Amino acid sequence: AQTVTQSQPEMSVQEAETVTLSCTYDTSESDYYLFWYKQPPSRQMILVIRQEAYKQQNATENRFSVNFQKAAKSFSLKISDSQLGDAAMYFCAYRSAEGKGGNEKLTFGTGTRLTIIP
Amino acid sequence: EAGVAQSPRYKIIEKRQSVAFWCNPISGHATLYWYQQILGQGPKLLIQFQNNGVVDDSQLPKDRFSAERLKGVDSTLKIQPAKLEDSAVYLCASTPRLFFGYNSPLHFGNGTRLTVT
Repeated sequence: AQTVTQSQPEMSVQEAETVTLSCTYDTSESDYYLFWYKQPPSRQMILVIRQEAYKQQNATENRFSVNFQKAAKSFSLKISDSQLGDAAMYFCAYRSAEGKGGNEKLTFGTGTRLTIIP
Repeated sequence: EAGVAQSPRYKIIEKRQSVAFWCNPISGHATLYWYQQILGQGPKLLIQFQNNGVVDDSQLPKDRFSAERLKGVDSTLKIQPAKLEDSAVYLCASTPRLFFGYNSPLHFGNGTRLTVT
């Protein structure tokens, strides 16, 4: 079974600075997807960024980028120019790309609470 | 487009009582998921529907939890009887494809926070 580990329960960053959230995962599969979700106090999970394992190029979405190290099974999220609206819980998630029917579920880490200091 | 709707937003019950949660996915979304998120943990999949059929319910505590998705649209999740450890946020999500793919992300609702006393 796949596992996702987020070793930083809490992080804080000064507004306009850059912060990196860590995520490691364990899998025996070669093809999979990785995601970062944001969960503000409203509780709705919002997709921030996603990465396909077979793509070597790191994904970027505006101020959000990832450092995907497949051999090390590491998938960190970098937030540049942090804004007050970035304050939330951030979850790393894994989804298998092998086969169909029952493999679509996301396996989440325990989350990192990000605080933005004005 | 309207998002995934869930109700109620909050629910407080005593142990051994029953409770039901409702989810209305985004129109046309074939696949629906119920996740349980215990405080301090990431969401855990309870059950996955494709249209009105169950795809995966391997982590659903079937002695007390039940779920249905009538006519492949709305879904209800029921707990009977509730235990203290059922206190959690229950999230519903949907996706337009029959199989959730890279270009078909999950759309989540705002969840129901259940407190069992």
